[in-house]
Amino acid sequence: GQQVMQIPQYQHVQEGEDFTTYCNSSTTLSNIQWYKQRPGGHPVFLIQLVKSGEVKKQKRLTFQFGEAKKNSSLHITATQTTDVGTYFCAGPLPGNTPLVFGKGTRLSVIA
Amino acid sequence: ETGVTQTPRHLVMGMTNKKSLKCEQHLGHNAMYWYKQSAKKPLELMFVYSLEERVENNSVPSRFSPECPNSSHLFLHLHTLQPEDSALYLCASSQDLGGTNTGELFFGEGSRLTVL
Repeated sequence: GQQVMQIPQYQHVQEGEDFTTYCNSSTTLSNIQWYKQRPGGHPVFLIQLVKSGEVKKQKRLTFQFGEAKKNSSLHITATQTTDVGTYFCAGPLPGNTPLVFGKGTRLSVIA
Repeated sequence: ETGVTQTPRHLVMGMTNKKSLKCEQHLGHNAMYWYKQSAKKPLELMFVYSLEERVENNSVPSRFSPECPNSSHLFLHLHTLQPEDSALYLCASSQDLGGTNTGELFFGEGSRLTVL
């Protein structure tokens, strides 16, 4: 079945370094969403990308949706300790079906 | 405050107990979900309801029984659980189900279940 693959599974960075997580789907996605889950918390919606090649920015976070709408990335510039958490991508299967979540990338930031 | 409230936040139960998890959403959404989160499978979809009808049951053991009495409430009834069922159970809601109409998912804070 369709899967949403996410890499890397873990990432440890020094504060101030950049961070990128990648999401790939076996099929074309109508849209892709990104969520952040802080340690001990619950997933919180960050953004949704819909258009092919779309790029959106939220302060130090840059989200991209691939031209073929099969991949996406989240890039954080100059990480801070507040960026710690697990970042999930999610995309819908074709038809009237729920989102499929990637396994997430757990980010640790060393001060 | 996400508009999705889960109770209890923590639950410890023996393998022979019967308990229920409750979820309530105040967002007027049409779709509600139960997810299981553990170290092995970070976000595992269990059940989906759309307009109070169950639309997905991802091969979940029968010891988990969902109930959606109305569009605002979702329950997960637990019976004869196993220690490996210990996990964080997350409830979520969305405006609709599927495709670009899904909109964002709003998650509750979760119910941390420990089965002894």
